[in-house]
Amino acid sequence: GENVEQHPSTLSVQEGDSAVIKCTYSDSASNYFPWYKQELGKGPQLIIDIRSNVGEKKDQRIAVTLNKTAKHFSLHITETQPEDSAVYFCAAGYYGNNRLAFGKGNQVVVIP
Amino acid sequence: DTAVSQTPKYLVTQMGNDKSIKCEQNLGHDTMYWYKQDSKKFLKIMFSYNNKELIINETVPNRFSPKSPDKAHLNLHINSLELGDSAVYFCASSQTWGRDNEQFFGPGTRLTVL
Repeated sequence: GENVEQHPSTLSVQEGDSAVIKCTYSDSASNYFPWYKQELGKGPQLIIDIRSNVGEKKDQRIAVTLNKTAKHFSLHITETQPEDSAVYFCAAGYYGNNRLAFGKGNQVVVIP
Repeated sequence: DTAVSQTPKYLVTQMGNDKSIKCEQNLGHDTMYWYKQDSKKFLKIMFSYNNKELIINETVPNRFSPKSPDKAHLNLHINSLELGDSAVYFCASSQTWGRDNEQFFGPGTRLTVL
């Protein structure tokens, strides 16, 4: 089955700086890559996703890039704010199949 | 106006007991899921139902039995609870099966087995 790994496990950044989280996946057939944000005491929430026919996608301060050859994808958060502090999960799946394999999560801490 | 709700939010029980967690979604979705999140935050799929039909059944002990009385509800019953069952259990739903739909998660149920 699909195996997704995330790095680093914890990331501390100064407010206003950028944060980058990287994920690698094992199954070259995976073609759907969502990112979920989990705030303390809450369930994960989708923040952005990308399909394998696209190399990059942006939504305001968040962007995701995908390198299919290397089988890795990254989440970029610019101009970080305290409310960005959370656990971020990457996942990989197949278009047409709802089964997602999640990474182990990254704790992002934005220092005011 | 809660989209995906779970009850109870916290559950503390003794080893060997049987307990249930209930989940309801008011989004009109066809597909529902149960995930287990361990103490290291690792999120793993357990079950998925589509239109009350079991679609995903991961390698989960048969002490765990999901039940979907209708499309809006997916309950999880756990028999003979063990220490290792302590975790946060998340229910989620998505619009339908067969597409990369966004999954909407509930607030979680923290289960502690003593």
